[in-house]
This record gives sequence, structure tokens and C-alpha cells, in this order.
Amino acid sequence: SQTIHQWPATLVQPVGSPLSLECTVEGTSNPNLYWYRQAAGRGLQLLFYSVGIGQISSEVPQNLSASRPQDRQFILSSKKLLLSDSGFYLCAWGTGTVGNSPLHFGNGTRLTVT
Amino acid sequence: QKEVEQNSGPLSVPEGAIASLNCTYSDRGSQSFFWYRQYSGKSPELIMFIYSNGDKEDGRFTAQLNKASQYVSLLIRDSQPSDSATYLCATDSGNTPLVFGKGTRLSVIA
Repeated sequence: SQTIHQWPATLVQPVGSPLSLECTVEGTSNPNLYWYRQAAGRGLQLLFYSVGIGQISSEVPQNLSASRPQDRQFILSSKKLLLSDSGFYLCAWGTGTVGNSPLHFGNGTRLTVT
Repeated sequence: QKEVEQNSGPLSVPEGAIASLNCTYSDRGSQSFFWYRQYSGKSPELIMFIYSNGDKEDGRFTAQLNKASQYVSLLIRDSQPSDSATYLCATDSGNTPLVFGKGTRLSVIA
């Protein structure tokens, strides 16, 4: 069966510090991978998605970036965090055509920027 | 800009009643519709999905889709206190990632 691992579970970082969140998927090949953010009182916002190694589509070009160095690994990064980057970061995977199949979420990382 | 609208709630129903959660979407080209449940502090988990007009049943859950009215709903029969959560509706249009509504908070009162 497929599983998705996301870490860390919680993170407190000062403004201006770097960020690296990692997500890995097991039990499937060539998944579509996604990063969403959920801010307090707001819906899920798509940040990045990837349909293959090295292929990244950005939906929200801010101070965040994403990379997919391996088939089942997706990394979210920032060089300098802003207060507005606080939120619940969710990695998800899906198969088949983007959008036509369900997404399965990791447990999320709750990021607080102080 | 594709939009998915949900009443934020809270929707309160007594235990054993039917909970009805509604969702409207703006893009007539949307083809796939998903319902997720999210407990407080946790990540969303998939409940069910529907692609065709009509009803789709899975246990106590029924999804209903009306593409002409751009409306999708989720019915929960015999609601239990453990069903208390936020329910997210999501849809797409062609080859685009899912767009989520902000969710409806459901409270089942024992």
C-alpha cells in the first residue's frame, strides 16, 4: 500500500531564517506531488505541483520554492521566511492525470514564523 | 479564477440525523469532485469522489452531483459525534490541480 511521509510535524522558525520541508512517498511510482498551505481560517492554497523529476509548476510565486530531486521526494524551501509564511503545510500525492484522481495527504507540518 | 464555495457553518445536527453539506463551483468544465474530512489539527482525508451526475453511495455517505446547477453535496446518514469535523469540497477542470473550498464545519450533538 502507498504511504506518504512528511516531516517535521511542527516547526518554529524566526523571520529571515531558511526553511526546508521534505515529503516522500512509498508504494507507488511516478506520482504527481503537491504542496498545499492552509492558513488559519483559510482554505487550502496550492503552492507547487510536480508531474515528474525536475518538473515543478508554481501556483504562488513568492519566497518559496520547490524541488523534486527523486521520483518520490518533494521538497519545499525558502531562503528567508516571512511572518506570512506561517501555516499548515501539506504534501499530497496522486496518480494519473492531474486533477482527475484524488489526492492523498501527509500528516502536515505546522510552521510558526516568529 | 476557479472558485469552490461552501457555507462555513457550523452546521449542527443531532446524533442520528442526516447531515447535508453543500458545495457550488464556478467552472462549468469541472469534471471531478471530491469530499474530504478534516479533523481539527489533522490533515484532510478522502471520503469519496464522484464524476457523473446523480448519486453515489458509500456506507453512510452519499455524494450528489448536479452539473447543470454546478452543485455537489454530501449527505451523512445516522450522524455520529465522531463525524464532527470540517468537510472540504474539491474540484478540478481538465488537467489542473484540485481547487478546494474553505470547508463546512459540522457539529453532531449527542
